[in-house]
Parts: sequence; structure tokens; C-alpha cells
Amino acid sequence: ETGVTQSPTHLIKTRGQQVTLRCSSQSGHNTVSWYQQALGQGPQFIFQYYREEENGRGNFPPRFSGLQFPNYSSELNVNALELDDSALYLCASSKRGGRETQYFGPGTRLLVL
Amino acid sequence: AQTVTQSQPEMSVQEAETVTLSCTYDTSESDYYLFWYKQPPSRQMILVIRQEAYKQQNATENRFSVNFQKAAKSFSLKISDSQLGDAAMYFCAYRSGYGNKLVFGAGTILRVKS
Repeated sequence: ETGVTQSPTHLIKTRGQQVTLRCSSQSGHNTVSWYQQALGQGPQFIFQYYREEENGRGNFPPRFSGLQFPNYSSELNVNALELDDSALYLCASSKRGGRETQYFGPGTRLLVL
Repeated sequence: AQTVTQSQPEMSVQEAETVTLSCTYDTSESDYYLFWYKQPPSRQMILVIRQEAYKQQNATENRFSVNFQKAAKSFSLKISDSQLGDAAMYFCAYRSGYGNKLVFGAGTILRVKS
């Protein structure tokens, strides 16, 4: 059974740029949730995708957007990057719209300069 | 809105000893789930243990067990026979029974001394 994978592992961007992060869900899972973890803090829920539709969103601005593909992998896009977007971005896959246990990937570390 | 509080920013334990990490939460719901996740320096969040609120019996996974006090809204994690590999950041998390997102506490850094 393949676990949750994320790419890239690290990236550096400058303020104002756009970034795309990718997540492949665990085999058999149809739901991907994205979280932002600032340094020294707990993860904060960004949004969730279930069966290719957004299925809930946290308190993040519209410049955070996402997609889910028919194979249930997902992308997180962030436009107009700000310095405060520097964080670890975690994705978690699960079944049934997140109502089963969520299993996390290794994360993508984003640094915005 | 639900909140999760971990009041211990950092804890230390001697190898082979027992340590308890504290977590309290606030909710008006009766159906929910509680989790402990471990995040080592490698950053990958790993599920340690899960508790369903409707179950009175405390969950146990090998050396890890919880003390779930529903009335007090308390959910502590006990690690027995601590090992060097247990050193990590530990997060307590809440999920509503009908919800889809995890609400995390701020975390507790656990250091294990040899």
C-alpha cells in the first residue's frame, strides 16, 4: 500500500509569485485535506477535496485554491505570495470526506522571500 | 468553534520511564473523535492513537494509552517505557463526528534523555 506523497519537499519563492504544491493520496482514499503549519504552531485547516469537489474550507483567503483529479491526487495553489505564507504545507488523505482517520504526507516546506 | 489546548510546551522524560502529555478541548458536541499525532524532525505527522467519544474505554496502542475524561473534556496521552525514538512534537487533535477537518493544539515537544 502506497502512503501519502507530496512534492516538492522544499521550495523558495519571492513575494508576489504563485506556487503549486502536489499531493498523491493513499491507495483507496478519495479525500485530500490541506493544512498550513507555521513554525512552532499546530496545523491549520485550509480546505478539503472529496470526489473532486471542495468539501469545506478554513479561514484562508481566495488566493488559496485547489484541485482534485480523478485519481484523487490534489494540488494546492497559492497566488500573490506573501511573507506570512512561509510554512510547512501538509496534505492528508482519508476516506469518506474526511470522516475516517486522516493520514499525512511528509509536507512541503515553502519559504517566501 | 472547537478549540484544543496543550498547556505543556515542552516535556522531558528519562529513557524507560513514563510520561503523560496533557490536552483539553472545548466543544458543545456529543459526537466527536480525538487523536494524538506525533511529528518527528522528519516532519511527517504520524497517527499515534485515536479515541471515539462514545466509547468509555480508553484507547491503547502498545506503549501508548490515553486517559479520556469526557465530562472534564480532557484527553491525556501516556507513554510507557519511553524510547529515544519517541522524541518528537506531539499534537492533540479534535474532529467533529459530522465534520471533516482536524483542529489541532499547539503541540508539546517531548525530549527523551538517555
